[in-house]
Amino acid sequence: EPEVTQTPSHQVTQMGQEVILRCVPISNHLYFYWYRQILGQKVEFLVSFYNNEISEKSEIFDDQFSVERPDGSNFTLKIRSTKLEDSAMYFCASEGLAGEGGEQYFGPGTRLTVT
Amino acid sequence: DQQVKQNSPSLSVQEGRISILNCDYTNSMFDYFLWYKKYPAEGPTFLISISSIKDKNEDGRFTVFLNKSAKHLSLHIVPSQPGDSAVYFCAASVTDSWGKLQFGAGTQVVVTP
Repeated sequence: EPEVTQTPSHQVTQMGQEVILRCVPISNHLYFYWYRQILGQKVEFLVSFYNNEISEKSEIFDDQFSVERPDGSNFTLKIRSTKLEDSAMYFCASEGLAGEGGEQYFGPGTRLTVT
Repeated sequence: DQQVKQNSPSLSVQEGRISILNCDYTNSMFDYFLWYKKYPAEGPTFLISISSIKDKNEDGRFTVFLNKSAKHLSLHIVPSQPGDSAVYFCAASVTDSWGKLQFGAGTQVVVTP
């Protein structure tokens, strides 16, 4: 069964450093998402991406964040200068159809720890 | 942001019995609702969904009920199995919001033998 994969599974970085989280969505999917879950809190929407551009982003997704689909298979989330409060599980998701809140398939997540 | 609420952080149920998970929402614009299941160290896994034009959707042991007037939905699992022990998230979206899902806080379900 096709699945969304994410690397690395755990990333430790120092405050102020740049990190890139990588995702390989399901191959025929058209809509891509990043969510995060801070320990003990809800899963929060960060950004949706379609047709090589951001379609919607949350207030969390400020200028420090960017997304890219560099080669037609990978989907990346970059945090330019990490802060302690960026420590969280980051989930990538993809969806094949309407992009209207349908069945999104989630990856296993990357645990980001900022020290 | 408390647009989707799951007020029960945990639920313990005996194997073979019914598990009922509840979810309330405040945004009347939500028109699509989903339940996800999550095991530790894994991402959320889609279980079942319902659009606002329906009041019930069934898939095997899982049934979701939607009461739009009360802004309430529930997930019934019958019969509950030990493998159902996980965190269950309710999520909601608005059709023109580019797939943005709003999640509840989750309910930890423990199914005991």
